[in-house]
Amino acid sequence: GQQVMQIPQYQHVQEGEDFTTYCNSSTTLSNIQWYKQRPGGHPVFLIQLVKSGEVKKQKRLTFQFGEAKKNSSLHITATQTTDVGTYFCAGAFGNEKLTFGTGTRLTIIP
Amino acid sequence: DADVTQTPRNRITKTGKRIMLECSQTKGHDRMYWYRQDPGLGLRLIYYSFDVKDINKGEISDGYSVSRQAQAKFSLSLESAIPNQTALYFCATSDLRDRGPFYFGPGTRLTVL
Repeated sequence: GQQVMQIPQYQHVQEGEDFTTYCNSSTTLSNIQWYKQRPGGHPVFLIQLVKSGEVKKQKRLTFQFGEAKKNSSLHITATQTTDVGTYFCAGAFGNEKLTFGTGTRLTIIP
Repeated sequence: DADVTQTPRNRITKTGKRIMLECSQTKGHDRMYWYRQDPGLGLRLIYYSFDVKDINKGEISDGYSVSRQAQAKFSLSLESAIPNQTALYFCATSDLRDRGPFYFGPGTRLTVL
């Protein structure tokens, strides 16, 4: 089946350090989306990437879509306690369903 | 989002019982989905519906059934609950037109004893 692999599963960082999570697919994606789930909450949409090599920024968050449209990353610069949560990528394979990665749980050490 | 609601929010039931989880949305979206979340496994698709007359199995549909009563309502049933169906269940919607974001409900935490 169509799978999206996401690493790492967990990441603990000191407040102020950077954080990156990566997603990979064995097949080409039509687009990739990123979601954030706060502890006890539900996934909330952050961004969608569609074009090969696309880079988008939201304040301290930088999202990249690979040239082959098979991988993506989310980078957070200078983490803050408000960044705590689980970050999911979700890939669309052209059939308009989303396949979610397993998520990266980010914890911040004050 | 308050636009997507789920009932109940928490449920404890016993093995063998039938249980229904309900989802309603006011976003006017055609597409609705049921996902299951387990620690370390992410979100897995159970069933999805692209309109009222369209129902499709996801990757883990065994032991579940769904009903799309109206554009705004999509319910998930466990015909005979078993302990390994203990999980957090999310309903989601998306818009046919923009193929964009999924909007998730607040989730139902189900425990099967």
